[in-house]
Amino acid sequence: DAGVIQSPRHEVTEMGQEVTLRCKPISGHNSLFWYRQTMMRGLELLIYFNNNVPIDDSGMPEDRFSAKMPNASFSTLKIQPSEPRDSAVYFCASSYKSVAEAFFGQGTRLTVV
Amino acid sequence: GENVEQHPSTLSVQEGDSAVIKCTYSDSASNYFPWYKQELGKRPQLIIDIRSNVGEKKDQRIAVTLNKTAKHFSLHITETQPEDSAVYFCAASIGSGNTGKLIFGQGTTLQVKP
Repeated sequence: DAGVIQSPRHEVTEMGQEVTLRCKPISGHNSLFWYRQTMMRGLELLIYFNNNVPIDDSGMPEDRFSAKMPNASFSTLKIQPSEPRDSAVYFCASSYKSVAEAFFGQGTRLTVV
Repeated sequence: GENVEQHPSTLSVQEGDSAVIKCTYSDSASNYFPWYKQELGKRPQLIIDIRSNVGEKKDQRIAVTLNKTAKHFSLHITETQPEDSAVYFCAASIGSGNTGKLIFGQGTTLQVKP
């Protein structure tokens, strides 16, 4: 297995634009997590899914953020409209159950100018 | 609320010395405690984990200890090497079954000086 795959690796966009981050979890894993990493706030859990169902989205900063998991092999995190303070590295992680080793993707470095 | 505190935020040691990073957690029901290492520009990767039914676990130069009564756990790295330089994150589980999640500490930047 290639591990958790995220795309794009880098994204530079202008304020106000829509941004979509993509994630393919490890096959057979039924939990998927979206984290945001910044120097100030460390690794923040934004939302997580179990068996494609959103379990907890209390970490989503505001309504501009949304996430979907239409099937077991794909998830998206969307920011609309984007703002400069959204600039961060966004990680997707998956695990075979929700409380177990989480395998992280390479991350997407988002810069909003 | 759900919280994991990690200390220190930065740690500098000489090669060959030991390094200790400590974390405390707030949820007494937490039962899974992983440690992740993140090298510059890379993804966090698991280096060791412990579940609440044991007090200590060791893997070569790294070990983790858990004190459930005090709700704290620690990472110990012995005989440190320059390649141990990285950011280390602790985490604690919140919830269980299909609705559990991991909450991460703020991270410790470890620098090992040759």
